[in-house]
Amino acid sequence: EPEVTQTPSHQVTQMGQEVILRCVPISNHLYFYWYRQILGQKVEFLVSFYNNEISEKSEIFDDQFSVERPDGSNFTLKIRSTKLEDSAMYFCASKFSGREIGNEQFFGPGTRLTVL
Amino acid sequence: AQKITQTQPGMFVQEKEAVTLDCTYDTSDPSYGLFWYKQPSSGEMIFLIYQGSYDQQNATEGRYSLNFQKARKSANLVISASQLGDSAMYFCAMRVLSSGSARQLTFGSGTQLTVLP
Repeated sequence: EPEVTQTPSHQVTQMGQEVILRCVPISNHLYFYWYRQILGQKVEFLVSFYNNEISEKSEIFDDQFSVERPDGSNFTLKIRSTKLEDSAMYFCASKFSGREIGNEQFFGPGTRLTVL
Repeated sequence: AQKITQTQPGMFVQEKEAVTLDCTYDTSDPSYGLFWYKQPSSGEMIFLIYQGSYDQQNATEGRYSLNFQKARKSANLVISASQLGDSAMYFCAMRVLSSGSARQLTFGSGTQLTVLP
């Protein structure tokens, strides 16, 4: 069964460093998402991506964040200068179509980012 | 803006019993979808069940059913015949039509379910 994959599973970085979180969405999916979950809190939407551009973004997704689909299969989230409060689980998700509201998003296993 | 409220931070249920996890939502959008996801301790998010705002019948998927009461804006998840493997965090989420074609999910704070042997 096709699945969303994410690498690495755990990333530890120093405050102020840049990190890139990688995702490979399901191959025929067209919509891509990043969510984050701070430990013990709810899952929060960061950004959605469609047709090679950002479709929607939340207020969390400030200038320190960027997304890219560099090669047609990977979907990356870059944090330019990490802060302690960026420590969280980051989930990538994808879905096939935007037309049906019930079209489910498939989530990857997550990358746990720890900023020291 | 949309809002999902899960008022039960933790629930316990005896193995083989049924359990209901509460979810209420708030939106002014007439067209929306409600989802439940399961998050085991390993951290991944597993889709369980979906209910559309215009669906006439409550959704069911195996042991999962959704008790959808539109007038009360509630979408409670019912798990029948609980199993030890059902112990996990459960999130209710909503997607509305007006959130653009990408239609991101808005999540509740979750309910930690523990199934007791």
